[in-house]
Amino acid sequence: AQSVAQPEDQVNVAEGNPLTVKCTYSVSGNPYLFWYVQYPNRGLQFLLKYITGDNLVKGSYGFEAEFNKSQTSFHLKKPSALVSDSALYFCAVREPGDYKLSFGAGTTVTVRA
Amino acid sequence: DAGITQSPRHKVTETGTPVTLRCHQTENHRYMYWYRQDPGHGLRLIHYSYGVKDTDKGEVSDGYSVSRSKTEDFLLTLESATSSQTSVYFCAISEGGLGSGGRSTDTQYFGPGTRLTVL
Repeated sequence: AQSVAQPEDQVNVAEGNPLTVKCTYSVSGNPYLFWYVQYPNRGLQFLLKYITGDNLVKGSYGFEAEFNKSQTSFHLKKPSALVSDSALYFCAVREPGDYKLSFGAGTTVTVRA
Repeated sequence: DAGITQSPRHKVTETGTPVTLRCHQTENHRYMYWYRQDPGHGLRLIHYSYGVKDTDKGEVSDGYSVSRSKTEDFLLTLESATSSQTSVYFCAISEGGLGSGGRSTDTQYFGPGTRLTVL
């Protein structure tokens, strides 16, 4: 069965510093991986996805994620964090041929000015 | 929010009463989903639909039913609400999913959510 782990409940960084939000996954076969962001009292917004090809995926708002098959990881990164990046971030995985999108528990990011 | 609306946005109800949540999309996407969001659990799939009148269960479907009589509307019903169903409910849509014309690579887009409190 597919599953996702986000090992950190919270990440705190100073504005201007690099931001990393960790995600590891477990699937049988090649995974499809997604990152979403949720701002307070809003729905989830799609950031980026990895399907195949280049391991470095670029997405919205300056975010990128690196797929590492050997470490079964898909960490979300941003070179220089903004206060407005403070939000709840979700990693999700789907197995090819499956309808189900499995979400991690989420990581709360706080960027201090 | 990708042409998805949910109604109501907030609801407080009492244990044992029926509740219906509505999801409406203007994207003409084939697939629609209902999730619930609870702290520490992320989002969990309740039911999904792969076409008009075609629905199936997700991982937490007990106590919920769904209906889809039109492409644009997907209803979630709690037949007899319980306190354990207090949650934030999200609708999502995707152009494809599985089956004919579907691709599991397709992105799901989410509505703004409904906060339901069962007293």
